Amino acid sequence: AQKITQTQPGMFVQEKEAVTLDCTYDTSDQSYGLFWYKQPSSGEMIFLIYQGSYDEQNATEGRYSLNFQKARKSANLVISASQLGDSAMYFCAMRGAGANSKLTFGKGITLSVRP
Amino acid sequence: EAQVTQNPRYLITVTGKKLTVTCSQNMNHEYMSWYRQDPGLGLRQIYYSMNVEVTDKGDVPEGYKVSRKEKRNFPLILESPSPNQTSLYFCASSILRTSGGAQETQYFGPGTRLLVL
Repeated sequence: AQKITQTQPGMFVQEKEAVTLDCTYDTSDQSYGLFWYKQPSSGEMIFLIYQGSYDEQNATEGRYSLNFQKARKSANLVISASQLGDSAMYFCAMRGAGANSKLTFGKGITLSVRP
Repeated sequence: EAQVTQNPRYLITVTGKKLTVTCSQNMNHEYMSWYRQDPGLGLRQIYYSMNVEVTDKGDVPEGYKVSRKEKRNFPLILESPSPNQTSLYFCASSILRTSGGAQETQYFGPGTRLLVL
């Protein structure tokens, strides 16, 4: 079984500063994928970044980077130069090696960016 | 524009009145899935489909049905809705997974907010 754990309470960050959102996972699969999604107050799910379990380099997408530490089973999202529009709920998710490509989601972290 | 569409976006109904939420994608994806989102629980998978006429249960399938007669459409059917099915529902699609390391984004629809009275 797969499990994603996001335990941080609501996070606050000052505009233009960097913030790290924590995510740990558990799986017995050797091949898996890790995702981060953003959900603003409007409700849609926006894909941010993906990391494959065999990728040796940390994934980056613009201001987003994923700090992937495989031995520790962590996949933290780093947002650099925070903007007011980054205020949202952030979900970490993983997909394992089974035939079902379902995403297993964590419970999410609320990020508030202060001006 | 690549997208997943859902209809309706908002729905208020009463217990026992059958309803269907439609989902359509224009990316020729084989894989489609339904999730429900509830406060404090994140998103949980209801049903999924790996191709036309191939569907299977996710983690919380009770009270739901799906069908996949065409590749682009994957409707969610609530035969007899109950108040505990009040939730935010998402449809998603993607290509089928390939070997590890490939970018395999799941695209989500805008969500359907359902209230069952």
